[in-house]
Amino acid sequence: KAGVTQTPRYLIKTRGQQVTLSCSPISGHRSVSWYQQTPGQGLQFLFEYFSETQRNKGNFPGRFSGRQFSNSRSEMNVSTLELGDSALYLCASSAAGTGVEKLFFGSGTQLSVL
Amino acid sequence: GQQLNQSPQSMFIQEGEDVSMNCTSSSIFNTWLWYKQDPGEGPVLLIALYKAGELTSNGRLTAQFGITRKDSFLNISASIPSDVGIYFCAGGTSGTYKYIFGTGTRLKVLA
Repeated sequence: KAGVTQTPRYLIKTRGQQVTLSCSPISGHRSVSWYQQTPGQGLQFLFEYFSETQRNKGNFPGRFSGRQFSNSRSEMNVSTLELGDSALYLCASSAAGTGVEKLFFGSGTQLSVL
Repeated sequence: GQQLNQSPQSMFIQEGEDVSMNCTSSSIFNTWLWYKQDPGEGPVLLIALYKAGELTSNGRLTAQFGITRKDSFLNISASIPSDVGIYFCAGGTSGTYKYIFGTGTRLKVLA
């Protein structure tokens, strides 16, 4: 069974641009979560989606948004990029979406903002 | 952002030694997860814990869900060089649909 797939693996953008990251969950998994990882702040929750509905959102500005499609695939978008947005963006999926079950991560998208 | 306290922050150990690390919180959790992360990769799930007092093993790894539900512990027995990496704990609460992650323990094994 394939794991969580994130594309692209690496991205370099300049300030002010926008970016879209993609995530395909493990087959059959219905919940997708996004986390941001930086050396200073560690792993921070961005948002979680289940059946195309956002059920929780972390403490990030409105420039960070996401969505989930009917096939459970998810995308996140960051508009008007800032230098501080440079981070490893991790997508994770879980099977039933109870919120307290095993969470499986992809390899991440390393975003560098210049 | 919110993070759980993990200790130690980093440790050097000799190959063959046992390792212990813990994760503490001021909040109660329903689930504890433990992960290992290699540089530039996503965290890999090692162990999941669902009940207070639960002790679960995965090969040389053993983790426990603290009785107070505010802490968790991970032990690695007979460490080997491939155990090098950063270990994270994560606590989950029903109804929040998110996990709070620990600050990480960086493990370095000397052959």
